[in-house]
Amino acid sequence: GDSVTQMEGPVTLSEEAFLTINCTYTATGYPSLFWYVQYPGEGLQLLLKATKADDKGSNKGFEATYRKETTSFHLEKGSVQVSDSAVYFCALRVNSGYALNFGKGTSLLVTP
Amino acid sequence: DTEVTQTPKHLVMGMTNKKSLKCEQHMGHRAMYWYKQKAKKPPELMFVYSYEKLSINESVPSRFSPECPNSSLLNLHLHALQPEDSALYLCASSQGTSGVTYEQYFGPGTRLTVT
Repeated sequence: GDSVTQMEGPVTLSEEAFLTINCTYTATGYPSLFWYVQYPGEGLQLLLKATKADDKGSNKGFEATYRKETTSFHLEKGSVQVSDSAVYFCALRVNSGYALNFGKGTSLLVTP
Repeated sequence: DTEVTQTPKHLVMGMTNKKSLKCEQHMGHRAMYWYKQKAKKPPELMFVYSYEKLSINESVPSRFSPECPNSSLLNLHLHALQPEDSALYLCASSQGTSGVTYEQYFGPGTRLTVT
């Protein structure tokens, strides 16, 4: 079945450090890929997306590239801020499906 | 405007109570979703409405009853819940339910505690 695997963390970084959160997927067909962020006590916000191979999604300094050859969609940011502390979910949606398949989430804590 | 609103923000109810959660969007989206999220877990899909008709029920117990009065509103009626139903309930909407570009927009959630 369709699934997403992401590093679970928690990940602790100092402010201005480089961030990578790994995400790999298994899917039939050609899924769309998403990163959602959930700040403490809040709902999920769409951070970025990619709908086909080699697409790069970007938003607020975060980037992720849809790599079909490695079935990956790793999230990166060059310089994290304390305000980036949150849980990050990688998700996929297949073309014919209603639902988002989420990874387990990666908790990020950025310290001053 | 990409806002999905949910009320109430917090709800505490006893196991014999009847309560309802409400969700609203004004983006013209034709698909709406209910998810349940337990602490430190990803959201789990409960129901999907497409064009105001129930399309998916992920084997959710009958003590949860969804309703879609119109294309902008989605309710979740709660009755005789159990303490293990305590969770964050998230509503989401998307433009449609097919194709690769219909990302889902989430509301802030209702934090439900069953005592």
